[in-house]
Amino acid sequence: GQQLNQSPQSMFIQEGEDVSMNCTSSSIFNTWLWYKQEPGEGPVLLIALYKAGELTSNGRLTAQFGITRKDSFLNISASIPSDVGIYFCAGQLERGTSYGKLTFGQGTILTVHP
Amino acid sequence: NAGVTQTPKFQVLKTGQSMTLQCAQDMNHEYMSWYRQDPGMGLRLIHYSVGAGITDQGEVPNGYNVSRSTTEDFPLRLLSAAPSQTSVYFCASSPTGTGAYEQYFGPGTRLTVT
Repeated sequence: GQQLNQSPQSMFIQEGEDVSMNCTSSSIFNTWLWYKQEPGEGPVLLIALYKAGELTSNGRLTAQFGITRKDSFLNISASIPSDVGIYFCAGQLERGTSYGKLTFGQGTILTVHP
Repeated sequence: NAGVTQTPKFQVLKTGQSMTLQCAQDMNHEYMSWYRQDPGMGLRLIHYSVGAGITDQGEVPNGYNVSRSTTEDFPLRLLSAAPSQTSVYFCASSPTGTGAYEQYFGPGTRLTVT
């Protein structure tokens, strides 16, 4: 199936540091979404992106839809302990057999040390 | 609104047993889907439905059946459980239109097949 390459796989940071993670693909996506999952819970939508070049913020989180439509980035500024969790990117392909379905990245595990 | 609810929270099955994982949503969403989450693999789509009476296969449909008789409910049936189906299962729903890919997830069912 279609692969989304998400990196890094894990991050260990100090409280107050900024965080960056990204997703890349060899195919073009027309929608990018970023989710956060906490232990024992389902993923929660953080940001949705619908246009190439779009930059959207949600509090300390900022995400961008790459110009090539093959990648997306998520930044977290001034991290706090409650940012801990797994962050997933997800995309919807522009065309092909996977049209209409979401493809998820493998996730970035974020640990924040107080 | 309760959002997306899933039952049971935990389940242990023996190889060859069958069972149904329940999923319900009270947001009047047309689109519902089932994912499985395995370590390091992100979420993979099993089956999805774009409305009552309409279902389709996702990336990993083998060994699972679904039906959608009402807008609210989307049960997932395991016909003959296998150890490879040990996983965490998430149900999700989303509205149609612009927000079609902004999926809302349930809390998950952790299934172990021995």
